[in-house]
Amino acid sequence: NAGVTQTPKFRILKIGQSMTLQCTQDMNHNYMYWYRQDPGMGLKLIYYSVGAGITDKGEVPNGYNVSRSTTEDFPLRLELAAPSQTSVYFCASSPPPQSFEQFFGPGTRLTVL
Amino acid sequence: SQKIEQNSEALNIQEGKTATLTCNYTNYSPAYLQWYRQDPGRGPVFLLLIRENEKEKRKERLKVTFDTTLKQSLFHITASQPADSATYLCALDREGDKLIFGTGTRLQVFP
Repeated sequence: NAGVTQTPKFRILKIGQSMTLQCTQDMNHNYMYWYRQDPGMGLKLIYYSVGAGITDKGEVPNGYNVSRSTTEDFPLRLELAAPSQTSVYFCASSPPPQSFEQFFGPGTRLTVL
Repeated sequence: SQKIEQNSEALNIQEGKTATLTCNYTNYSPAYLQWYRQDPGRGPVFLLLIRENEKEKRKERLKVTFDTTLKQSLFHITASQPADSATYLCALDREGDKLIFGTGTRLQVFP
């Protein structure tokens, strides 16, 4: 199993551009999450999903959108990128019930200039 | 609001000693608490989960305690090794299906 994979690993965007961060898991997990991690800060939850077709906002959803059309994929869309979205983005998945561990991807380092 | 505090200062210890990391929380009563390890440039990796009705949990050289009265968890690594050097994150459940993470404590084990 590859676990949780994320693409791209690095990306530089200009202000106002848009992009999609890809996340795929091959563990058949129902729960998937998107976090951002800023230097010296904890992981902040952006969006999460408890299954295909179901998504919900986390702590910091503004400026982002998600979709969950399949169990495997959970892409994160950035519209109109802003410097405040410069961060490292992690995707994670977990099997239900949620109290099990979360499996994280390797992250995407995004810089908005 | 819920708050998790981990020592932001790095913990430096000598190889072979026991490392103890602290996680304090306020305004919350979590059903469980988790500890993760994060190496530079990588995603967090799950280490241990402890539930509110458990006082202590062990896994090899790792030990976690959970004191719901003090609102504190302690994470111990015995016989520490340079390979244990990393940032350690604690996380608490929130609303049953989400986690809230602390900022992490960086551990440096020197020979």
